[in-house]
Amino acid sequence: GAVVSQHPSWVICKSGTSVKIECRSLDFQATTMFWYRQFPKQSLMLMATSNEGSKATYEQGVEKDKFLINHASLTLSTLTVTSAHPEDSSFYICSAISGGSSYNEQFFGPGTRLTVL
Amino acid sequence: QKEVEQDPGPLSVPEGAIVSLNCTYSNSAFQYFMWYRQYSRKGPELLMYTYSSGNKEDGRFTAQVDKSSKYISLFIRDSQPSDSATYLCAMSDPFYSGNTPLVFGKGTRLSVIA
Repeated sequence: GAVVSQHPSWVICKSGTSVKIECRSLDFQATTMFWYRQFPKQSLMLMATSNEGSKATYEQGVEKDKFLINHASLTLSTLTVTSAHPEDSSFYICSAISGGSSYNEQFFGPGTRLTVL
Repeated sequence: QKEVEQDPGPLSVPEGAIVSLNCTYSNSAFQYFMWYRQYSRKGPELLMYTYSSGNKEDGRFTAQVDKSSKYISLFIRDSQPSDSATYLCAMSDPFYSGNTPLVFGKGTRLSVIA
């Protein structure tokens, strides 16, 4: 199956700093990538939909100025958490659609665990 | 009412037991139904998907969809300790404008005890 990678796998930062998370589709081109956030024992919550070459579409309640998404190529999307605070600590997961299935199967990355001190 | 309801568990079963995991939903537009398995601190991986109603079997796993009841199930036969994970159901509306974001259940934590 298609492979999606994320980097870093975990990061610890001080409050007020910015953190960039990369999501790459390794063996396919992804016109659309999704960013999710998952708190402990909670489900995946969609944050935004990222389309290559255009602005991301954010879900209601997600601050676009705080969570900057850039989808500069068909294989790379980045999520930057700006001025991170402890409440931003979470598990961030990206997914990508390969376009090869009839129902647009999403392939998930391994996730990035962010801890803000 | 949330779009997708799933009992978070935890669910503990002895090795070899048959496991039944379920989700209910409210949006009758959902047509694609998926089950993902997520190990701790990992991203979800797709186990099975079903289009519309019916059953689908893959090895020890069987997925069932009952659209009239808005109820889906995943059965695991001869459960193994390696099946211990969180199982998330997910659904999508194929006519949703854009690229069909999935709606996830909360996930059910399963532990299979050797």
